[in-house]
Amino acid sequence: DADVTQTPRNRITKTGKRIMLECSQTKGHDRMYWYRQDPGLGLRLIYYSFDVKDINKGEISDGYSVSRQAQAKFSLSLESAIPNQTALYFCATSDLYRGSRDTQYFGPGTRLTVL
Amino acid sequence: ILNVEQSPQSLHVQEGDSTNFTCSFPSSNFYALHWYRWETAKSPEALFVMTLNGDEKKKGRISATLNTKEGYSYLYIKGSQPEDSATYLCASISSGSARQLTFGSGTQLTVLP
Repeated sequence: DADVTQTPRNRITKTGKRIMLECSQTKGHDRMYWYRQDPGLGLRLIYYSFDVKDINKGEISDGYSVSRQAQAKFSLSLESAIPNQTALYFCATSDLYRGSRDTQYFGPGTRLTVL
Repeated sequence: ILNVEQSPQSLHVQEGDSTNFTCSFPSSNFYALHWYRWETAKSPEALFVMTLNGDEKKKGRISATLNTKEGYSYLYIKGSQPEDSATYLCASISSGSARQLTFGSGTQLTVLP
């Protein structure tokens, strides 16, 4: 079984709809992240959380919100989806072990299309 | 926000050729440099994490070097095989309380049989 799972894997929605992307992990990591990937651009950080009570904005948080319901679960919401939020979304985790230097473990990605 | 740049953007090589590509990053407040391999329709997977100036890491035919003073890292692939075809991403982290990774846009490698 995959250590980091994302649901749904693909979603097509219309402008103005509310969408939630979910991420679960069995790695026991404290840190969780949401990234988006657009063609020709690197992975860009949307939000990250270092534990259940910690939420931080990343580089491109506008139009998104998150919820860290438990150590293992981190959800990303688009309150009112717009076409330029069409992208591939990745959830990732990392642990607190200093030697890992925040090595990221990625989920399989969610391809979101906003019409 | 760090500016991490990778070159070339894409690369085609013949099977058996050796190749290399570059990641440039701001050298101030350096904490770590990561390389990831991202195959089509899969998730990015960690290849190397590097922290010390002069570090060299190796995994099979793939190796990487790090120069933190001038802010660059090279990834080398010796004797490329079709299964090496992927996008190679680097990401830099600066020291400080945030410790976020900033990714480059990647080098897309295609190895032709």
